[in-house]
Amino acid sequence: KNEVEQSPQNLTAQEGEFITINCSYSVGISALHWLQQHPGGGIVSLFMLSSGKKKHGRLIATINIQEKHSSLHITASHPRDSAVYICAVGSHDMRFGAGTRLTVKP
Amino acid sequence: ETGVTQSPTHLIKTRGQQVTLRCSSQSGHNTVSWYQQALGQGPQFIFQYYREEENGRGNFPPRFSGLQFPNYSSELNVNALELDDSALYLCASSPDRVNTGELFFGEGSRLTVL
Repeated sequence: KNEVEQSPQNLTAQEGEFITINCSYSVGISALHWLQQHPGGGIVSLFMLSSGKKKHGRLIATINIQEKHSSLHITASHPRDSAVYICAVGSHDMRFGAGTRLTVKP
Repeated sequence: ETGVTQSPTHLIKTRGQQVTLRCSSQSGHNTVSWYQQALGQGPQFIFQYYREEENGRGNFPPRFSGLQFPNYSSELNVNALELDDSALYLCASSPDRVNTGELFFGEGSRLTVL
């Protein structure tokens, strides 16, 4: 069993839909990161969470430390949100989920 | 743009050769981590350097080695290349060793081993 599990693996949505991506982990962590990876490889940090909830624009991330679970929500999705979203956890030795490939159609 | 630059962006090597990949960290960050990302998978932790010392290593053989320099730039060296080493290699800099701050990734170096 992977230490970091993401679901779904692939997600297709229509523009404007509400999106949820889930991450469950089995290791102790200092922090959980949500990352966005576009074709070509570059990775951008979206959120770092150690507790509670954070919001940036249309993106919301939550974490439940006791249940070892986090969710990334995108409200009013847009085609430019199409990317791979990756959950990463750990301390100095980060462990990554396999990613969720999101496609938002106009 | 993150302020982290990697070079080269693409390269092709043959089995048995050696490769050096370079990373220039975000200004002020004394921690750099290197990751290997195979096609369709999430990144895997190779090792981390903090103030020029290795600070943890993932499940990679000794032919994967690294260096961090006083100006916080770093290198990943891979000897005796194997076909399975073909991947995107990413470096990420952070302001602390336990990654509780924002991570800044480079665009990656895509290595193909023939």
